[in-house]
Amino acid sequence: DTEVTQTPKHLVMGMTNKKSLKCEQHMGHRAMYWYKQKAKKPPELMFVYSYEKLSINESVPSRFSPECPNSSLLNLHLHALQPEDSALYLCASSLETSGRPTGELFFGEGSRLTVL
Amino acid sequence: DAKTTQPNSMESNEEEPVHLPCNHSTISGTDYIHWYRQLPSQGPEYVIHGLTSNVNNRMASLAIAEDRKSSTLILHRATLRDAAVYYCILRDVEYGNKLVFGAGTILRVKS
Repeated sequence: DTEVTQTPKHLVMGMTNKKSLKCEQHMGHRAMYWYKQKAKKPPELMFVYSYEKLSINESVPSRFSPECPNSSLLNLHLHALQPEDSALYLCASSLETSGRPTGELFFGEGSRLTVL
Repeated sequence: DAKTTQPNSMESNEEEPVHLPCNHSTISGTDYIHWYRQLPSQGPEYVIHGLTSNVNNRMASLAIAEDRKSSTLILHRATLRDAAVYYCILRDVEYGNKLVFGAGTILRVKS
């Protein structure tokens, strides 16, 4: 199984709603990532988890709250979002958790979020 | 993060080789060169990576200049399925878990 599964595929929410995006992998990877991608732009790194601990936060606003409850699961909790937060949210995982930058990242197909 | 420069777009004919260039003049000795691609409506996928020597895999070849200030991704026979955005990325050993995407090259393949 070389898949990263993201749910939901599409999400529409109001600015006062609370919702969550979910990401799952069963490859035994211990590093997991959230990226945000606006239309016709490259993915932007948001968070990195290593062994279920947050290791990188790219100065993301607190209305985005990541959570890694176990080694297979990564959530992104959303609260009080703005319309400009509408984007494709991509999850990825990789085997390496140390400083070896050789391993590949496996990406999911993303969750497309629309904030009204 | 060290910066890469790629052409905005390139066009190729089906069944012909494609050479996608990437400039990275500020590369450090510990930066690995990675290539990912993103097909329409999909997440990025890994293509290939290297440090100093040229590399081959089932998808592509990576040719790295001797001074490492540039590299070229080579698709030996382009197919319509290879139409995608190709990203050249430098990953530093100090920040191994950071994969930071640049603008990339849009590759169009004509039949």
